Amino acid sequence: LAKTTQPISMDSYEGQEVNITCSHNNIATNDYITWYQQFPSQGPRFIIQGYKTKVTNEVASLFIPADRKSSTLSLPRVSLSDTAVYYCLVGVYSGGGADGLTFGKGTHLIIQP
Amino acid sequence: EPEVTQTPSHQVTQMGQEVILRCVPISNHLYFYWYRQILGQKVEFLVSFYNNEISEKSEIFDDQFSVERPDGSNFTLKIRSTKLEDSAMYFCASRERGVNTEAFFGQGTRLTVV
Repeated sequence: LAKTTQPISMDSYEGQEVNITCSHNNIATNDYITWYQQFPSQGPRFIIQGYKTKVTNEVASLFIPADRKSSTLSLPRVSLSDTAVYYCLVGVYSGGGADGLTFGKGTHLIIQP
Repeated sequence: EPEVTQTPSHQVTQMGQEVILRCVPISNHLYFYWYRQILGQKVEFLVSFYNNEISEKSEIFDDQFSVERPDGSNFTLKIRSTKLEDSAMYFCASRERGVNTEAFFGQGTRLTVV
C-alpha cells in the first residue's frame, strides 16, 4: 500500500471551506484514494473515494491532480461538528475481502466558532 | 441507515481473564473485520473474515486472539488471556461484496484490562 503523508493538525472557523491535502508519491496504477472521518470514541466513517479528477458527494469533494501523487479533501462551510480526525488511505481493496484498511495518524481538524 | 452494532460498549476485565467482544455486522455484508485503537494512537487492523474463515491477520492477532461467526448474524472476537496492553477500543467493521466497497464501522467496545 502506498505511504501517505498528511498534516497532523489543522484549525479553521465555522463557515469556512477547509482543504486537507494528502501526499502519496508512490501511488500505484490500480490504487484508489479514500478518506475516512473519525470522531472521538467512535469508529471511522467513510467520507469519499476517488481515482482521478474530481469527485463530489453531499459531504465533501475530492480533488485528484493528473499525476495522482496527491489529493485534497475539501469540506465546504464547516461547522463545529466537523471537528474530527480525517484519514487518507491509498490502495486497492479487493473483492476477496482479504485486505484490511491501513490507517495512518490522520489530520486532526479543529473547528472554532 | 443500516449499522454495525457492537456490545458491550465498555468492558472492564482483570488481567488473565478471557473476554468476548460481540458484533452484529450489516446483514447483507460478506466481509468482516476487527480493528483496535489504543488511546491516542492510530486505528490498527487485526483480522479479516470471509466465507467462515480468516482471510488475513496482522502481527497483533496472535494465538491469544480468535474470531468466530457462531450463527448467521454475530461476529465475535475472543481474547483468551487478557494483558494490560490489550486495553484499547475495538472496532468491528463490515463490507459488502466488491472492490473498494465502503467499510462500515461499529461504535466500538472500550476494553479496559486492570
